[in-house]
Amino acid sequence: AQKVTQAQTEISVVEKEDVTLDCVYETRDTTYYLFWYKQPPSGELVFLIRRNSFDEQNEISGRYSWNFQKSTSSFNFTITASQVVDSAVYFCALKSGRNNNDMRFGAGTRLTVKP
Amino acid sequence: KAGVTQTPRYLIKTRGQQVTLSCSPISGHRSVSWYQQTPGQGLQFLFEYFSETQRNKGNFPGRFSGRQFSNSRSEMNVSTLELGDSALYLCASVLAGSTDTQYFGPGTRLTVL
Repeated sequence: AQKVTQAQTEISVVEKEDVTLDCVYETRDTTYYLFWYKQPPSGELVFLIRRNSFDEQNEISGRYSWNFQKSTSSFNFTITASQVVDSAVYFCALKSGRNNNDMRFGAGTRLTVKP
Repeated sequence: KAGVTQTPRYLIKTRGQQVTLSCSPISGHRSVSWYQQTPGQGLQFLFEYFSETQRNKGNFPGRFSGRQFSNSRSEMNVSTLELGDSALYLCASVLAGSTDTQYFGPGTRLTVL
């Protein structure tokens, strides 16, 4: 069975603070893909990053960075120097390497960045 | 390139009615997946279509169905609507295989009264 857990339901920070969103996953597949999506109030899910199970390199994109650790089955997302525009719900998702596009999402973390 | 488009954006129906939602994927993308998002259940996979064939299906009753046309556009149908079907329905477009990233449309917000 595949499962994604985002234990943090809501996080509130003040602008310019760093914040880390946690994601823990479960899968029996050796090949799988992990994703982060951002959902602003408009509702559309915006793709942020994809990682495959064979690539544990951390990634940085501007103020965003991701830490993938297979040993702890975690794929955490850090926003450095948060901004009000970062306020949204963030979803971590898992997809099997088998030939299907059934993606399992975590419950999401609502991030509020206050000015 | 234009993104994924979904129509209509908002819909209000009454119990017992049926509804059809439409999704146009990114040009060149051949796979379309549908998801239901509710406050209680979160994001749940409905089904996926690839080359006009249903390739995968989630755990939803038969009232939920879909199809894909030769131009990759997809429609989703819900018959005999129930109050619990009120949700944001999201469509995701994929180039082809499971290694590709899903890109989502803005969703259709369905309210069942």
